[in-house]
Amino acid sequence: EVQLVESGGGLVQPGGSLRLSCVASGFTFSGHWMSWVRQAPGKGPEWLGNIKTDGSEKYYVDSVRGRFTMSRDNARNSLYLQMNSLRAEDTAVYYCARDQAGYFGLDVWGQGTTVTVSS
Amino acid sequence: QSALTQPASVSGSPGQSITISCTGTSSDIGAYDYVSWYQQHPGKAPKLMIYDVSNRPSGISNRFSGSKSGNTASLTISGLQAEDEADYFCCSYTRYYSRVFGGGTKLTVL
Repeated sequence: EVQLVESGGGLVQPGGSLRLSCVASGFTFSGHWMSWVRQAPGKGPEWLGNIKTDGSEKYYVDSVRGRFTMSRDNARNSLYLQMNSLRAEDTAVYYCARDQAGYFGLDVWGQGTTVTVSS
Repeated sequence: QSALTQPASVSGSPGQSITISCTGTSSDIGAYDYVSWYQQHPGKAPKLMIYDVSNRPSGISNRFSGSKSGNTASLTISGLQAEDEADYFCCSYTRYYSRVFGGGTKLTVL
């Protein structure tokens, strides 16, 4: 079964850091670009960025560039999101998602992990 | 990058057809044929329904179809069923290798 499982969410104070993980199974992880998407309560999703198959290219949305860093370990079938200088507006459910090979849809999503930034 | 514009809600009766619009700009929807649509039930992750404007992933019913004209994309659901009741989001590729989502449309099946 093709699956993505996120972990690492929780409650963090403003200015703090958190590292999210996403473990893939059931497909060739190293063959796909991977994305991070978040969704604040009651809002539409926000694409945060994606990372190339070998990690050599990364693209970020303006709202997180310089604060968030994506990485991956293909040997461990794992994707990571290091989040620094967290703000209240970063509170959301964070999803990892698989980029379709050769197309522009996100065809596999994890169940999400919740990040709450509050004092 | 501003979010794409979708109607907040649409509704239809079982068996009817509905269309959800998604309006962007000449920098996103108008520039690329890379619009995707997602269905999201409460408490669940989004699910890809349409990619690259009008293509359905394997396993998605042909009751779902997508199109685009200028800066506006559309999702049409024909033969509405109770299980279609959900939130729907559009997403477009945009310049500088980025993507932008819409604010979402709540579909109610009457």
